[in-house]
Amino acid sequence: AAGVIQSPRHLIKEKRETATLKCYPIPRHDTVYWYQQGPGQDPQFLISFYEKMQSDKGSIPDRFSAQQFSDYHSELNMSSLELGDSALYFCASSHKSQGISTDTQYFGPGTRLTVL
Amino acid sequence: AQKVTQAQTEISVVEKEDVTLDCVYETRDTTYYLFWYKQPPSGELVFLIRRNSFDEQNEISGRYSWNFQKSTSSFNFTITASQVVDSAVYFCALSDSYSGNTPLVFGKGTRLSVIA
Repeated sequence: AAGVIQSPRHLIKEKRETATLKCYPIPRHDTVYWYQQGPGQDPQFLISFYEKMQSDKGSIPDRFSAQQFSDYHSELNMSSLELGDSALYFCASSHKSQGISTDTQYFGPGTRLTVL
Repeated sequence: AQKVTQAQTEISVVEKEDVTLDCVYETRDTTYYLFWYKQPPSGELVFLIRRNSFDEQNEISGRYSWNFQKSTSSFNFTITASQVVDSAVYFCALSDSYSGNTPLVFGKGTRLSVIA
């Protein structure tokens, strides 16, 4: 079965540089979530989109922005990178259905960002 | 506010032993979903189970079983006859919308080491 695709899988950047992470949800999934997982930490919710509109917002820094495109893929743009941004960034997708939902968030393999 | 507590930070067992991972949650909502995810050393987050607040039936899937008790706000996970491949960090998570389609709140995780 198709899974969530994230690219790149690994990214190394210098402080103050920018980075763009991409996420391709499972086919027919209309909701995308971004999570950040620091070393030894649990995943923390950043932001989510449903049908190309921002749905929920978590602890996303102002230096970060994201959007969902017409083909439902999403990009997380990170500017003025700091050492503390080094983390594993997960994208998850789900399908929002009416009535009793069967949706579950399925996670991609993650992008490991290292800021030097 | 929602909160998930996994009091066991690390557990070490010998192969073939049974092990139970504890999860206690807090939410003000009457409708919510509980999840378990597995994060092996390779880093991906693997969905294991989803349980809604109206269904307190225990579930068994192979060597895995889950015990959901609303009276104690607990959703514990038992691995029977553990194997080395079970070594991973296990996260319990909570989502509190009717559809389950809201950001997940994770516990801090329990690192399970199964020794051959």
